[in-house]
Amino acid sequence: DTGVSQDPRHKITKRGQNVTFRCDPISEHNRLYWYRQTLGQGPEFLTYFQNEAQLEKSRLLSDRFSAERPKGSFSTLEIQRTEQGDSAMYLCASSPGTGGGNEKLFFGSGTQLSVL
Amino acid sequence: DQQVKQNSPSLSVQEGRISILNCDYTNSMFDYFLWYKKYPAEGPTFLISISSIKDKNEDGRFTVFLNKSAKHLSLHIVPSQPGDSAVYFCAASLFGNEKLTFGTGTRLTIIP
Repeated sequence: DTGVSQDPRHKITKRGQNVTFRCDPISEHNRLYWYRQTLGQGPEFLTYFQNEAQLEKSRLLSDRFSAERPKGSFSTLEIQRTEQGDSAMYLCASSPGTGGGNEKLFFGSGTQLSVL
Repeated sequence: DQQVKQNSPSLSVQEGRISILNCDYTNSMFDYFLWYKKYPAEGPTFLISISSIKDKNEDGRFTVFLNKSAKHLSLHIVPSQPGDSAVYFCAASLFGNEKLTFGTGTRLTIIP
């Protein structure tokens, strides 16, 4: 039973460059979430998908951020024209999403982004 | 607007004693509460949860207490073990929505 997988684990980039992260959720999990965590803070919600549909986006998700989940399986998070303030741990999580509520999220190990 | 608050950034406890981590929330519409544990360079791992219809839930060494009138929950770990040293996050969700709102975390250090 594989958990949530994220790639890459670490990414160092120069300001202004574009970066893309990938998340593979637990198979058969319908919901997929992206969170961002900065030092000293808890994970902050960015966006989530129910299958391939992106149902909610946080106001934290500026126009430079875009997320996709084609075919309702893996997801990608792209950040265009990176800024130093984008440096953070980007966490992906999935849940069964059966609609009954009260489900726990299963998190991946995250992608640590450093923007120089 | 921090809807879930963990006011103690850190806590040190002797091995074998009880660890008590606290969490307060402001949104009375939250109805499901969870504790996650996080080691450095890893994602959060689910520990224990409680629904708003209960006031206590136990799982082995871990017990979560919920006081809805005070909008407060706590996590008790007894006895504390060195492997419990980690950052603990309190999280909450609204009915029918699995999106979690997290607190800022408490770093627990168990002293051998």
